[in-house]
Amino acid sequence: NAGVTQTPKFRVLKTGQSMTLLCAQDMNHEYMYWYRQDPGMGLRLIHYSVGEGTTAKGEVPDGYNVSRLKKQNFLLGLESAAPSQTSVYFCASSYSTPQGAQPQHFGDGTRLSIL
Amino acid sequence: AQKITQTQPGMFVQEKEAVTLDCTYDTSDPSYGLFWYKQPSSGEMIFLIYQGSYDQQNATEGRYSLNFQKARKSANLVISASQLGDSAMYFCAMREGGKLIFGQGTELSVKP
Repeated sequence: NAGVTQTPKFRVLKTGQSMTLLCAQDMNHEYMYWYRQDPGMGLRLIHYSVGEGTTAKGEVPDGYNVSRLKKQNFLLGLESAAPSQTSVYFCASSYSTPQGAQPQHFGDGTRLSIL
Repeated sequence: AQKITQTQPGMFVQEKEAVTLDCTYDTSDPSYGLFWYKQPSSGEMIFLIYQGSYDQQNATEGRYSLNFQKARKSANLVISASQLGDSAMYFCAMREGGKLIFGQGTELSVKP
């Protein structure tokens, strides 16, 4: 029962470095999401995808890029990391239903620190 | 404009008592879904309960129930018979289209 797996779990970067966070799901879900969670705040949607080959912007997309080349994978990229991107990143996935009755399944999060 | 509002940053409840966590939402879409998630100190997000905008009855899942008042646009979570393990952050979220939008959360502390 892998569910949603995020790689890596922790990472420290220097300002200006680039990196990619990987999210993999084995539930055949159509929808996938990337969120960030900052202290004292809820989750904010960065980007999401409603199917293979499609992506869309969420609430806070600036500074991030995503790709969904395969249905089971959703990649989040930071081209030039900034200290403001220090956060905990969550990936989630769900089935698509007419009224959104299916909950999102979350990964365990990635703690990213930008120095 | 805030789509999901949780007005209680922190709440305390005595063990075995019931507690209500407030959530109000804003949408013009007639079709939407409301979710509650629990986030313990270990950090994972745990799905608790779901309410659809067309559901006639309030959702219930074990000790969790959702007090859905559509006209007031509120979807409060009620936890009955609180347990020490209920101490956590609780997030209300609304699905609108393909997106899930979260509130800022309520930190619940259960006192023995």
